[in-house]
Amino acid sequence: EDKVVQSPLSLVVHEGDTVTLNCSYEVTNFRSLLWYKQEKKAPTFLFMLTSSGIEKKSGRLSSILDKKELSSILNITATQTGDSAIYLCAVENGAGANSKLTFGKGITLSVRP
Amino acid sequence: KAGVTQTPRYLIKTRGQQVTLSCSPISGHRSVSWYQQTPGQGLQFLFEYFSETQRNKGNFPGRFSGRQFSNSRSEMNVSTLELGDSALYLCASSLATLGQVPTEAFFGQGTRLTVV
Repeated sequence: EDKVVQSPLSLVVHEGDTVTLNCSYEVTNFRSLLWYKQEKKAPTFLFMLTSSGIEKKSGRLSSILDKKELSSILNITATQTGDSAIYLCAVENGAGANSKLTFGKGITLSVRP
Repeated sequence: KAGVTQTPRYLIKTRGQQVTLSCSPISGHRSVSWYQQTPGQGLQFLFEYFSETQRNKGNFPGRFSGRQFSNSRSEMNVSTLELGDSALYLCASSLATLGQVPTEAFFGQGTRLTVV
């Protein structure tokens, strides 16, 4: 059965801290790994990673995929209270028309002023 | 460009009733996926539709069904509601071309279903 595991389950930091969120997976026919941020309802897309070792960056957020270790990390530097959210990792698995997203349970990040 | 639109936003139903949720994807997106999100289980895949055909299905009972129309809008139906069906139901749309290039999925705001 396909599995995506995120850690830690929750995290409390202070503004300005740097955090690293982890995602590991066991899926058949890996196609891509995606990170989402969910603040209230709609998860919003952050990154899609398909190649190992290539860092994707957007402002204070960055992410990298390690296909050998079957894992990815999401880094947030200089955290702000607005970064407080649930961070979801999802893996697209399957081939062609049978691909689907399998999600982890999410990491709840709380950033205190 | 409008995002993914889900209606209604909130719904309260009683046990045994049935419910239909609607999702309008981003214009040009032909794939619509449905997910159930609960605090204990996280986001769980229900099913995916592409060009009016169900391509993939998660591990949910037959009470959960869906369909997609020719304009790519999708509906999800849950019959004989149970208390445990209370959840946030999210739909996501993507280009999901049948080539091998992965594409990201964009989510709607969800429908919060409460079964009493």
